[in-house]
Amino acid sequence: EADIYQTPRYLVIGTGKKITLECSQTMGHDKMYWYQQDPGMELHLIHYSYGVNSTEKGDLSSESTVSRIRTEHFPLTLESARPSHTSQYLCASSEYQIEGKAFFGQGTRLTVV
Amino acid sequence: RKEVEQDPGPFNVPEGATVAFNCTYSNSASQSFFWYRQDCRKEPKLLMSVYSSGNEDGRFTAQLNRASQYISLLIRDSKLSDSATYLCVWYSGGGADGLTFGKGTHLIIQP
Repeated sequence: EADIYQTPRYLVIGTGKKITLECSQTMGHDKMYWYQQDPGMELHLIHYSYGVNSTEKGDLSSESTVSRIRTEHFPLTLESARPSHTSQYLCASSEYQIEGKAFFGQGTRLTVV
Repeated sequence: RKEVEQDPGPFNVPEGATVAFNCTYSNSASQSFFWYRQDCRKEPKLLMSVYSSGNEDGRFTAQLNRASQYISLLIRDSKLSDSATYLCVWYSGGGADGLTFGKGTHLIIQP
């Protein structure tokens, strides 16, 4: 089993609130990712990181931000949640030399009302 | 044109049958290919890597055809537990972006 954890699993929050989705992995992986997935749709990369102090935007524009202060931790923040942010957010990690083999957390299902 | 295209299905297949589906890709620079499995409302999990020479893992066989730019997955003696969405995934290498995922093919194994 993969040692990558996301909290919370489910979140219902009002418009305008600031939220942080947590992601932690204990595998020592350098690369970490955030994907967004709507029901029945493909995953879209929104952020990734090569390692500590490295963050990059993915191919899907997102109003969220990320930070990578520690190898094991890659939180995603929305400063002001909107209903259009309602989606599932999946965190993943991989070893730098085996980047195609990613391990996913169980996801956070976010609903903004 | 999307970089990875898959028939979304659903494929309804009787238990014990053999089922195969393909995935086409448009980026000839793609280096590595994978099949991931995603159960309903769960996270994707790596099923197997795909090699040009073809590779087998139990009842599952994956194949890569670089000339025609497609990969395939074949499942023999299908089980009810094989019901899931199968995601075609490629990675272009170079340490840049993450993996590119197809929308997936939905497989339903019927008793």
